[in-house]
Amino acid sequence: QVQLVQSGAEVKKPGASVKVSCKASGNTFTRQYMHWVRQAPGQGLEWMGKINPSDGDIRYAQRFQGRVTMTRDTSTSTVYMELTSLRSEDTAVYYCARVLRGLYFDSWGQGTLVTVSS
Amino acid sequence: SYVLTQPPSVSVAPGQPARIACGGNKIADKSVHWYQQKPGQAPVLVVYDDKDRPSGIPERFSGSNSGNTATLTINRVEVGDEADYYCQVWDYTNDYVFGSGTKVTVL
Repeated sequence: QVQLVQSGAEVKKPGASVKVSCKASGNTFTRQYMHWVRQAPGQGLEWMGKINPSDGDIRYAQRFQGRVTMTRDTSTSTVYMELTSLRSEDTAVYYCARVLRGLYFDSWGQGTLVTVSS
Repeated sequence: SYVLTQPPSVSVAPGQPARIACGGNKIADKSVHWYQQKPGQAPVLVVYDDKDRPSGIPERFSGSNSGNTATLTINRVEVGDEADYYCQVWDYTNDYVFGSGTKVTVL
């Protein structure tokens, strides 16, 4: 497993943007895609997209296309997820997670609560 | 889109088995993975590839997958097993799909 440490909670106004970071420990950062999953209060898990830290290859879930941007910084073993045009429905805990064999999530960050409120 | 259906809740007495179903069209053709999530915590993988357990997960947790239903079984349920459980698959067109989650309550 890899240890993933995320940035702290954020409060944003509708229409604003938020950028969440996820720092990976160990020397496996570039070997596996890093994913982002969110969970609205009292709701289930929703996959947002993934980024390959090695070459920057990206795939976003269709419903977030145009609003989400995932980037990485290999010098600090950190991936970022930026979500724009925030609305109240984006209030959620955002998790970064690593996927093994392209199939399942074996390591998760602690989660970052993003609250969107006027 | 590929949909995974789970019962909202399952109640079980301590020491009894809990079975959580995850329904999906021809789900037996896919690898199913299960996560346990306790309040305020990140999910934890408890079963992968239908029936395999990561290191550190008790043998009480087991999985099966057949036809249109995958099942997570928790044998000899303990109070500490109270949590939400999610099934998940990778689908070629829908990427990573999660079930709606099942809340396990230990009576």
